[in-house]
Amino acid sequence: NAGVTQTPKFQVLKTGQSMTLQCAQDMNHEYMSWYRQDPGMGLRLIHYSVGAGITDQGEVPNGYNVSRSTTEDFPLRLLSAAPSQTSVYFCASSTLERNTEAFFGQGTRLTVV
Amino acid sequence: GEDVEQSLFLSVREGDSSVINCTYTDSSSTYLYWYKQEPGAGLQLLTYIFSNMDMKQDQRLTVLLNKKDKHLSLRIADTQTGDSAIYFCAESSTSGYSTLTFGKGTMLLVSP
Repeated sequence: NAGVTQTPKFQVLKTGQSMTLQCAQDMNHEYMSWYRQDPGMGLRLIHYSVGAGITDQGEVPNGYNVSRSTTEDFPLRLLSAAPSQTSVYFCASSTLERNTEAFFGQGTRLTVV
Repeated sequence: GEDVEQSLFLSVREGDSSVINCTYTDSSSTYLYWYKQEPGAGLQLLTYIFSNMDMKQDQRLTVLLNKKDKHLSLRIADTQTGDSAIYFCAESSTSGYSTLTFGKGTMLLVSP
């Protein structure tokens, strides 16, 4: 039982580069979300999805795009990376009925230079 | 908007009790949560309490909720070195689909 899997675990980007952070879950959860964790800031919600084809913005969506073509996958795209996006990114999933009892991935540590 | 506040650091000796405190501002919070994050790992749900409860006990963990003061605490009895981690308080908002609002986290350091 893999739970929530994030890849890669670590990534270094140059300013202006693009990349996609992958997130997959095998629990058939409808609700998926992306958070970023910064020192002294806790976790802040970037985007979330309540099912395939449905996404919405969280607290800090600027600079990030998401899509949800399948129940299992919820990739996060950085179109033009900026140093301010240096952070640890967490993907989470849950059922819709208990969508705040979230299962988290191990995180992706992203550095933008 | 919602805000969740926690103290940033707590240090205890092994075998002592730890109490981590949290305050929140959203009076319409439905659930309040405690998550644990070990070094280099994601967050793990420890326990949660529904807003109409005052207390919940789960083995060594006791959650106390004072809804009037919007104060939540997590007590860990007989704290072990393996309890060393960052503990996040979170509350669920009631705007549309519920989303979690996290505090900044309390780092618990347990010394032998």
